Amino acid sequence: GENVEQHPSTLSVQEGDSAVIKCTYSDSASNYFPWYKQELGKRPQLIIDIRSNVGEKKDQRIAVTLNKTAKHFSLHITETQPEDSAVYFCAASRQNSGGYQKVTFGIGTKLQVIP
Amino acid sequence: GAVVSQHPSRVICKSGTSVKIECRSLDFQATTMFWYRQFPKQSLMLMATSNEGSKATYEQGVEKDKFLINHASLTLSTLTVTSAHPEDSSFYICSAGRSNQPQHFGDGTRLSIL
Repeated sequence: GENVEQHPSTLSVQEGDSAVIKCTYSDSASNYFPWYKQELGKRPQLIIDIRSNVGEKKDQRIAVTLNKTAKHFSLHITETQPEDSAVYFCAASRQNSGGYQKVTFGIGTKLQVIP
Repeated sequence: GAVVSQHPSRVICKSGTSVKIECRSLDFQATTMFWYRQFPKQSLMLMATSNEGSKATYEQGVEKDKFLINHASLTLSTLTVTSAHPEDSSFYICSAGRSNQPQHFGDGTRLSIL
């Protein structure tokens, strides 16, 4: 099955600095890579996603890059703000024979933005 | 955006009780619903995948007789924790999706078994 590794597990940055979280996956058939932000006690919220036919995607301060050959993808947050503090999960997904996506999550990165 | 409602948000009950958690997709038809379990400061662990009208597919190590899943319609899936024990205490989250679309998560249910 798929294995997703994520690092670092914790990350502290000064407000205004950039934060980078990296993930690797094992299943070359994975073709969809979402990133979720989870605040304490709340649901994971999709913040950005990328499909395997794209190498990079950007949405305001958030960007994701994908290297299919190396099977790794990264989340980049620029100009970090205190409200960016949360746990971030990467995930890898593929269509299986049933037509639905089985998503494997990374272990999560706790991001702390220091004012 | 897509809305997934999960109920109840919190359950506290005695050991041996069975607990039912509902997951509803409110504004879209979900061909697939997923049930996850999350321990404190840990990642989301997939328990089972549920397709409307068919039996759920359980992940390795998840007891199907312990965690009963029913996906009776395109908008409702239920997870029943049967004869719950303290070790079943956890945060349970459902998500709903359609083929090739992102999953959307419910708010989660915090289950505490005394």
